[in-house]
Amino acid sequence: SQTIHQWPATLVQPVGSPLSLECTVEGTSNPNLYWYRQAAGRGLQLLFYSVGIGQISSEVPQNLSASRPQDRQFILSSKKLLLSDSGFYLCAWTRTGSGYTFGSGTRLTVV
Amino acid sequence: AQKITQTQPGMFVQEKEAVTLDCTYDTSDPSYGLFWYKQPSSGEMIFLIYQGSYDQQNATEGRYSLNFQKARKSANLVISASQLGDSAMYFCIHSGNTPLVFGKGTRLSVIA
Repeated sequence: SQTIHQWPATLVQPVGSPLSLECTVEGTSNPNLYWYRQAAGRGLQLLFYSVGIGQISSEVPQNLSASRPQDRQFILSSKKLLLSDSGFYLCAWTRTGSGYTFGSGTRLTVV
Repeated sequence: AQKITQTQPGMFVQEKEAVTLDCTYDTSDPSYGLFWYKQPSSGEMIFLIYQGSYDQQNATEGRYSLNFQKARKSANLVISASQLGDSAMYFCIHSGNTPLVFGKGTRLSVIA
């Protein structure tokens, strides 16, 4: 069966420190992968999506970047975190003809 | 561009009563789908129900039903016999030719 793993579940990082959030999918190949962010009091916002290895589309210009080094691995990164990067980050995947599956999320607090 | 509007930031409902969460959408996609997801305090996203734009009947899944009015571009979620465990954030989501578009969500609180 298909599963999605996202870690870490919670993270507290100082301003200016780097960030790396990882998401991996099992049980499928060539999925479409997504990173979403939910800031406090706001809805979910699409940050990046990828339809294949090395193919990244950015929806919102910001302090973050994404990479897809392998077919089922999607990484969200930052070189220097800002206070405004705090929020809840969700990874998701889908394939044509199937629904979306979300990871369990990462709660990031930048202090 | 596609847009989802959830006009109720917060809702209260008495346990065992029914509640309707509103969702209106704007889309230019000829074919699309609408999802409802539940997000409890743990943060995970739990799938509730799906309605395709060409589905002839309104979707139902257990205590969840979707009141789909295509001409009005609305896809309201109805939860019957509310339970305390239904307290959560609820998102209406558009799926079409672009990546998912989320509403801002409605926080539902079920009162004993």
